[in-house]
Amino acid sequence: EAQVTQNPRYLITVTGKKLTVTCSQNMNHEYMSWYRQDPGLGLRQIYYSMNVEVTDKGDVPEGYKVSRKEKRNFPLILESPSPNQTSLYFCASGALTPLHFGNGTRLTVT
Amino acid sequence: GENVEQHPSTLSVQEGDSAVIKCTYSDSASNYFPWYKQELGKGSQLIIDIRSNVGEKKDQRIAVTLNKTAKHFSLHITETQPEDSAVYFCAARRGGADGLTFGKGTHLIIQP
Repeated sequence: EAQVTQNPRYLITVTGKKLTVTCSQNMNHEYMSWYRQDPGLGLRQIYYSMNVEVTDKGDVPEGYKVSRKEKRNFPLILESPSPNQTSLYFCASGALTPLHFGNGTRLTVT
Repeated sequence: GENVEQHPSTLSVQEGDSAVIKCTYSDSASNYFPWYKQELGKGSQLIIDIRSNVGEKKDQRIAVTLNKTAKHFSLHITETQPEDSAVYFCAARRGGADGLTFGKGTHLIIQP
């Protein structure tokens, strides 16, 4: 079954404590991306990756890092989280084919 | 860059009635327009899409129309059912390596 798996589903942390949200896909897609979803703002792209070792900034990259060391995984890293990064995060896989989304990670930074 | 506006932000309709969600886009080079449905606690799923060489596409109760001249496209859901309740996102893309630009979403509520 085609899947995009992201973990954790829920995360509460404190300002400045580094965290990583993992994302894995089993469809052999080259393109993966991260979005954040906020009320009234919809889905905004944070970073995307066209292939292994190729990443680029989306619309709202500040405060985030990503890595793409292997095709199936695309972790999102918050080196020093701040309260304005409290949001719902989605990983997505695919580009020319329809995007496949993970089930989301709700992050709260206090 | 591309800018996608989506209206309304919330839409409440009686079960069995039709629902229409509208989007406009700014970049005339955009050529791919998908619609995604997001149910509570889940990621968005593609429900229908249309490319710029087509004016209308239908899949059972769901249809999408595209007006390239006016740069707007719409999602039409007929005979709405409770399971249609969700947040719907429209998006646009120019193609090639460009990513999708999403609208802000519409919360569709189906009243019994």
